[in-house]
Amino acid sequence: DTEVTQTPKHLVMGMTNKKSLKCEQHMGHRAMYWYKQKAKKPPELMFVYSYEKLSINESVPSRFSPECPNSSLLNLHLHALQPEDSALYLCASSQEAGGGGEKLFFGSGTQLSVL
Amino acid sequence: AQSVTQPDIHITVSEGASLELRCNYSYGATPYLFWYVQSPGQGLQLLLKYFSGDTLVQGIKGFEAEFKRSQSSFNLRKPSVHWSDAAEYFCAVNTGGFKTIFGAGTRLFVKA
Repeated sequence: DTEVTQTPKHLVMGMTNKKSLKCEQHMGHRAMYWYKQKAKKPPELMFVYSYEKLSINESVPSRFSPECPNSSLLNLHLHALQPEDSALYLCASSQEAGGGGEKLFFGSGTQLSVL
Repeated sequence: AQSVTQPDIHITVSEGASLELRCNYSYGATPYLFWYVQSPGQGLQLLLKYFSGDTLVQGIKGFEAEFKRSQSSFNLRKPSVHWSDAAEYFCAVNTGGFKTIFGAGTRLFVKA
């Protein structure tokens, strides 16, 4: 299994809602990532978990809250988002943890619209 | 800080013609270099990677890339483009650790 699975594929939420994005991989990878991608832009790193511990937080607003319950799962909890947070949210994983040169395996993403 | 430049926002190529996508990086040493491809509404897929050794790297789907230290470039090539190659292509660098920095991307259009 070489897939990273993200659910849901699409999500529409209001600014007062609470929702969660889910990511799963069964490749035994020890690093997992959240990226945000606006239309016609490159992905931007948000968070990295290594061995289930938060390793990088790229100064992301607290309305985004990541969670890594185990080595195969990664969640992104959303609360009180703004319309400018509308984007494609990509999850990725990599085999090694922090050695550099990581090959990233991406999921198909969750297209989020905040109304 | 490292950076990646893809000078072409979009390129149009006829099916069957050759392709070259340009990428320049800025970093003091040789970083890890990557090319990823993204189809609309999808995640990114790794095409190939370079760190050391042979400067001509073979990837999936018939793509190759050549590292040129003197020009700080890592251009992607394909000898014969297929309609299914139409997508967004991202050059990326990693200088160690978890942070991979992506270029702005080049959109490839393929005309029949």
